[in-house]
Amino acid sequence: GDSVTQTEGQVTVSESKSLIINCTYSATSIGYPNLFWYVRYPGEGLQLLLKVITAGQKGSSRGFEATYNKEATSFHLQKASVQESDSAVYYCALSEPPGGNYKPTFGKGTSLVVHP
Amino acid sequence: EAAVTQSPRNKVTVTGGNVTLSCRQTNSHNYMYWYRQDTGHGLRLIHYSYGAGNLQIGDVPDGYKATRTTQEDFFLLLELASPSQTSLYFCASSDGTGGGAEQFFGPGTRLTVL
Repeated sequence: GDSVTQTEGQVTVSESKSLIINCTYSATSIGYPNLFWYVRYPGEGLQLLLKVITAGQKGSSRGFEATYNKEATSFHLQKASVQESDSAVYYCALSEPPGGNYKPTFGKGTSLVVHP
Repeated sequence: EAAVTQSPRNKVTVTGGNVTLSCRQTNSHNYMYWYRQDTGHGLRLIHYSYGAGNLQIGDVPDGYKATRTTQEDFFLLLELASPSQTSLYFCASSDGTGGGAEQFFGPGTRLTVL
């Protein structure tokens, strides 16, 4: 089946420093999967941060970026300068393209703590 | 604005108890999902549905039943709750278009089985 592997556990970064959370995937469909980053703030449900459905493209939102690398099967999340308000849990996810097994798959989540 | 609500927000029950978690979406979406979130495991799919009366099995279905009564309402049933089902449960909806559709999540239900 499909799988998503991302940076495990907690990542601690000082405010204004750069961030990268790694994500790699494995998909069983013939076509390329759709890739997502979701974020969950304390006490809330997950919300979409960004998505990319075309291999080779980059998605961006709120200063975060992720590039769909089909050769490396990766979708790493990056931000040049984090803020304390970015502290949250981040999830990498994929879903199959049309004709595939439409069942979303999530990574285990990465907890980001930004220190002032 | 798209909305997914869950009830109750917190629930405590005993081993062997009967629990129903409710989810309602006002997005007019076809797809609805139930997940559980556990430390070290991330978000795992229990059941999902693509319309009223439809049910699809997810990755961790054992011990859970689900029922989609209308397009808006999706229920998760634990008929003999066990401590291993203590978790944070999320419901989500999406329109499922082409697989690239965003999922909209509820705020979660924290279930404790003593």
